[in-house]
Amino acid sequence: GAVVSQHPSWVICKSGTSVKIECRSLDFQATTMFWYRQFPKQSLMLMATSNEGSKATYEQGVEKDKFLINHASLTLSTLTVTSAHPEDSSFYICSASPSGGGTGELFFGEGSRLTVL
Amino acid sequence: KQEVTQIPAALSVPEGENLVLNCSFTDSAIYNLQWFRQDPGKGLTSLLLIQSSQREQTSGRLNASLDKSSGRSTLYIAASQPGDSATYLCAPRPYNQGGKLIFGQGTELSVKP
Repeated sequence: GAVVSQHPSWVICKSGTSVKIECRSLDFQATTMFWYRQFPKQSLMLMATSNEGSKATYEQGVEKDKFLINHASLTLSTLTVTSAHPEDSSFYICSASPSGGGTGELFFGEGSRLTVL
Repeated sequence: KQEVTQIPAALSVPEGENLVLNCSFTDSAIYNLQWFRQDPGKGLTSLLLIQSSQREQTSGRLNASLDKSSGRSTLYIAASQPGDSATYLCAPRPYNQGGKLIFGQGTELSVKP
């Protein structure tokens, strides 16, 4: 299947700092990418839909000023957690589907674990 | 609003057993449905994709069925192995929602040697 890569796999930061997570589609182009968050022992919750060349669409309850999403190219979306606090500690996962139709199968990255001290 | 329920929440079986994992969803207006596997601390691995027009898909020891009208999907695992131990997630993709998936809580499977 297609490959989606995230970087970094894990990051530890101090409270108040900002952290950027990258999501890349390695062997396909993706007009749209999705960012999910997963707390321990819970399922994935969609945070936002990242659209290449335009603003992201955020789910209800997700602060757009805190979770900045940029989709500057057809293979890269970034999630920046601004002024991170301990409650932002979580597992962040992105997904993407090849543009231009196809089966509609979604592929997920390996996830990025954020720990805010 | 689409809601997804997976039963059982957890399952522990001895090696070699055949398993059935159940998934139900409330809105049958779906484009497709995917089954995923998630190992602890890892991302999701796509196992099977069933289009809304299909009834089942098979890959190796895995078989997934879809009954869209009743809002149900099952994942059948034949001859389970310890390496199958993971959390299994089903995710229907609603129509007209830009490709987002809705996830259930998952079934945590443990296969004992």
